[in-house]
Amino acid sequence: KQEVTQIPAALSVPEGENLVLNCSFTDSAIYNLQWFRQDPGKGLTSLLLIQSSQREQTSGRLNASLDKSSGRSTLYIAASQPGDSATYLCAALSSNSGYSTLTFGKGTMLLVSP
Amino acid sequence: EAQVTQNPRYLITVTGKKLTVTCSQNMNHEYMSWYRQDPGLGLRQIYYSMNVEVTDKGDVPEGYKVSRKEKRNFPLILESPSPNQTSLYFCASRPVGQETQYFGPGTRLLVL
Repeated sequence: KQEVTQIPAALSVPEGENLVLNCSFTDSAIYNLQWFRQDPGKGLTSLLLIQSSQREQTSGRLNASLDKSSGRSTLYIAASQPGDSATYLCAALSSNSGYSTLTFGKGTMLLVSP
Repeated sequence: EAQVTQNPRYLITVTGKKLTVTCSQNMNHEYMSWYRQDPGLGLRQIYYSMNVEVTDKGDVPEGYKVSRKEKRNFPLILESPSPNQTSLYFCASRPVGQETQYFGPGTRLLVL
């Protein structure tokens, strides 16, 4: 059964810093790895999706990498801003008894202070 | 606008009183699912549906029912809610294949 772990659970940084969020998964036979953002009390917004055949994806100040062999993904946020404060979730899409299932980590709560 | 909608957004109820949380998507997605999110436990899948009349259990299906009579709708039914079902519930949809998943805004449920 797939398990997804995110480290750290919480992170506080001053504005302008570059930062890295980590995600690890136990079953490397994934279809893709997704990063989501969740604001307090709100739904999830998809940030980046990396297919299993890809190594990284970029969107603006965000860059996500994937290393299937080691079961790891990282989300790099450049020049952080207070508006980046949110919980970041990674999720692995993998096979479960013939169907694909999205397994989530518990998230990293990020606070960027002005 | 492509979206997943849930109703109600907030609900307070009492133990044993049947309730239904509706979910609807306008993107013609085949796959729909329900998750609950709890502090310290993250998001866990309750049920999912690959298409009309095809549903299956996720990781935490006990105490829940679903139906998929139409492609766009996937209601979550709590026949006899209990306080341990107090949670934040999310509905999601995506097309068949390895694509990103779209989430609804969430339904916060409190069972007294």
